[in-house]
Amino acid sequence: DIQMTQSPSSLSASVGDRVTITCRASQSISSYLNWYQQKPGKAPKLLIYAASSLQSGVPSRFSGSGSGTDFTLTISSLQPEDFATYYCQQSYSTPGTFGPGTKVDIK
Amino acid sequence: QVQLQESGPGLVKPSQTLSLTCTVSGGSISSGSYYWSWIRQPAGKGLEWIGRIYTSGSTNYNPSLKSRVTISVDTSKNQFSLKLSSVTAADTAVYYCARCRYSYGRLYFDYWGQGTLVTVSS
Repeated sequence: DIQMTQSPSSLSASVGDRVTITCRASQSISSYLNWYQQKPGKAPKLLIYAASSLQSGVPSRFSGSGSGTDFTLTISSLQPEDFATYYCQQSYSTPGTFGPGTKVDIK
Repeated sequence: QVQLQESGPGLVKPSQTLSLTCTVSGGSISSGSYYWSWIRQPAGKGLEWIGRIYTSGSTNYNPSLKSRVTISVDTSKNQFSLKLSSVTAADTAVYYCARCRYSYGRLYFDYWGQGTLVTVSS
């Protein structure tokens, strides 16, 4: 299986901050990388697919980059509704493993 | 707007079989390039990909669960199902069904059910 890691595991930030979350794959996955946002008690929500493509309806403050093994999710200006846990997921091969998550909370 | 809804028992005894159904509304389960998938999440933990089925009936399972998992589809009812046998407490989790879209060679979960908690306990 391809192993996914994320850093940091958690972070505290303020509204308006620029936030960057990193995801690393244990082997090259080209751009087969997706990002999801999950709020407590809710299902994950797709933000970014194919490393950098913004899902329809997702605010443009979210962006993704990277290829190969290293990827980044950036929130350009953190909003109150963005406090959540973020997961990366590789779709290069089955099983489509997820990263352990990064929890973003209020400073 | 596509919607997915999980249903099934919330409590299963150890060694028995967990059975869940996902009902898809707002679109036909047979149309388009989609895999219909199951994902689970133990309380306070991360997401685990269980497996998926294409409407042709072809399946892929997580090797860690493969010996115990069966995913099937009923196109006449617009449903797909999960069976997980010989469950233990370690299988206690919120189970999500999701649509995995296949587009230009990319796969991603674009629609999710709300999730259903299954507890394994005697």
